[in-house]
Amino acid sequence: GENVEQHPSTLSVQEGDSAVIKCTYSDSASNYFPWYKQELGKRPQLIIDIRSNVGEKKDQRIAVTLNKTAKHFSLHITETQPEDSAVYFCAARVNAGKSTFGDGTTLTVKP
Amino acid sequence: GAVVSQHPSWVICKSGTSVKIECRSLDFQATTMFWYRQFPKQSLMLMATSNEGSKATYEQGVEKDKFLINHASLTLSTLTVTSAHPEDSSFYICSATTNGFNQPQHFGDGTRLSIL
Repeated sequence: GENVEQHPSTLSVQEGDSAVIKCTYSDSASNYFPWYKQELGKRPQLIIDIRSNVGEKKDQRIAVTLNKTAKHFSLHITETQPEDSAVYFCAARVNAGKSTFGDGTTLTVKP
Repeated sequence: GAVVSQHPSWVICKSGTSVKIECRSLDFQATTMFWYRQFPKQSLMLMATSNEGSKATYEQGVEKDKFLINHASLTLSTLTVTSAHPEDSSFYICSATTNGFNQPQHFGDGTRLSIL
């Protein structure tokens, strides 16, 4: 089955700096890669996703890049703000099947 | 759009009680629903996948007689934790998706279950 590894497990940045979270996946058939933000005790919220026919996608301060050959994808957050502090999960999925989640990254943005 | 409602949000009950959790898609037809369990500071662990009108597919190690899943309509799935014990205490989250190529999952708010 699919295996998704996520790094780092914790990340602390200064407000205004950039944050990068990386994930690798094992199943070359995976073609959908969402990123979720989860605040303590709340639901995971989809913040951005990318499909395998695209190499990069951007939405304001958030961007995701995908390297299908190397089987890795990354989340980039620029100009970080304290409200960006949360746990971020990457996931990989084949078509409409089940998603495999990474172990999560706890991002702390210091004011 | 794409709202998933999950109830109850918090349950405390005695050991041996059965607890039912509901997951509803409010503004779309959820052909597939997923049930997850999440321990503190850990990732989402998939318990089972349910498709409307079919039996749920359980992940390895998840007892189907312990965690009963019903997906009787395109907008409702239920998870019943039967004869719950303290080790079943956890945060349970459902998600729903609809047919179509690479449709995103939409998560419910989760249910915090505490068994005394």
